[in-house]
Amino acid sequence: EIVMTQSPVTLSVSPGERATLSCRASQSVSSNLAWYQQKPGQAPRLLIYGASTRATGIPARFSGSGSGTEFTLTISSLQSEDFVVYYCQQYNNWPLTFGGGTKVEIK
Amino acid sequence: QVQLVQSGSGLKKPGASVKVSCKASEYTFTRYAMHWVRQAPGQGLEWMGWINTNTGHPTYAQDFTGRLVFSLDSSVTTAYLQISSLKADDTAVYYCAQLCSGGSCDNVSWGQGTLVTVSS
Repeated sequence: EIVMTQSPVTLSVSPGERATLSCRASQSVSSNLAWYQQKPGQAPRLLIYGASTRATGIPARFSGSGSGTEFTLTISSLQSEDFVVYYCQQYNNWPLTFGGGTKVEIK
Repeated sequence: QVQLVQSGSGLKKPGASVKVSCKASEYTFTRYAMHWVRQAPGQGLEWMGWINTNTGHPTYAQDFTGRLVFSLDSSVTTAYLQISSLKADDTAVYYCAQLCSGGSCDNVSWGQGTLVTVSS
């Protein structure tokens, strides 16, 4: 099983600043990496797939990069609605696995 | 636009069973596999497994073998998750979802989630 490790667990950032979230895989997942955003009481929403492709309707302030075992989600200028939880998920191997999540909170 | 609508939340006693439904619409039901994901209160996302909507063949994640059954009723485009011998730590929100898998990302959609609370 591929273990996905997200860091940090909590990220404190001021509105309007940049946030950088990391996701590390225990073995290569190529570019088969997705990022999700989850707001309280809601299902996750797909932000990024293929490590760097924004899903339909996702604002340009969200960007993804990386391949192999190291991935980054960058939110260029945090808006109030962005202070929620983010998960990465690999889909290169079975079983599918998620990272533990990063909570972005207001500094 | 794919829609996945799940059954309502419920309270179950330890040892009981629960069956969660996931009604799919606005697409051809057999086009996408159906996955199930668990989220315990305040915790992260756990993939439970998936069912092939063409063949009905289920695959369970290792941590979830034994008490789970995935099934389909294609005549009503609905997938089901049944959990037997419920325990307190089965308390969670259960999601049906179409996920990126097998190196491909054709469609991603999630149901709204079903909260199952297990308590005496």
